[in-house]
Amino acid sequence: GQQLNQSPQSMFIQEGEDVSMNCTSSSIFNTWLWYKQDPGEGPVLLIALYKAGELTSNGRLTAQFGITRKDSFLNISASIPSDVGIYFCAGQLGETSGSRLTFGEGTQLTVNP
Amino acid sequence: NAGVTQTPKFQVLKTGQSMTLQCAQDMNHNSMYWYRQDPGMGLRLIYYSASEGTTDKGEVPNGYNVSRLNKREFSLRLESAAPSQTSVYFCASSVSGKETQYFGPGTRLLVL
Repeated sequence: GQQLNQSPQSMFIQEGEDVSMNCTSSSIFNTWLWYKQDPGEGPVLLIALYKAGELTSNGRLTAQFGITRKDSFLNISASIPSDVGIYFCAGQLGETSGSRLTFGEGTQLTVNP
Repeated sequence: NAGVTQTPKFQVLKTGQSMTLQCAQDMNHNSMYWYRQDPGMGLRLIYYSASEGTTDKGEVPNGYNVSRLNKREFSLRLESAAPSQTSVYFCASSVSGKETQYFGPGTRLLVL
């Protein structure tokens, strides 16, 4: 089946630093999504990307849909303590109802004040 | 709107016991999903329901059954729990044709 490789697995940074994480796949996806999971909670959608080459921002977050449709990255600028959590990428093939998401393994982000 | 709700939040079972995890959404979504999350493995799809009355297997369906009771509710049943089913279970839902999935808070299951 499809697999997503997400890196890095974990990051320890100082408050104010920028963060970058990425996902690569052996398969093409039509949609890339980035989720954040706080401890004890379910994942929450941060950014959705629907077109190859698309660059989308949401506040301090910026994500891009790779031109090859096999990769995506997420940047967080000027990190703050509440950015702590696990970040997941997810790829989706189709647009029909019930189309499955394939998730990366997650990047655990720790921000030191 | 409560979004996606799940019950129970926590459960401890003995090997061989059965239980049903409940999920409900109040967003009028057509599609619903069950995932399990294990350390270092991200989320893996167990079963999904594209619309009321239909269910399909995901990546890891063995040992589970599901029921799409109506448009709002999608339950996951473990007939004979095994320690390998110790995990955090998430339910999600999405609107047909617009596949942003919204997740519930999760059920933490420990099988002894």
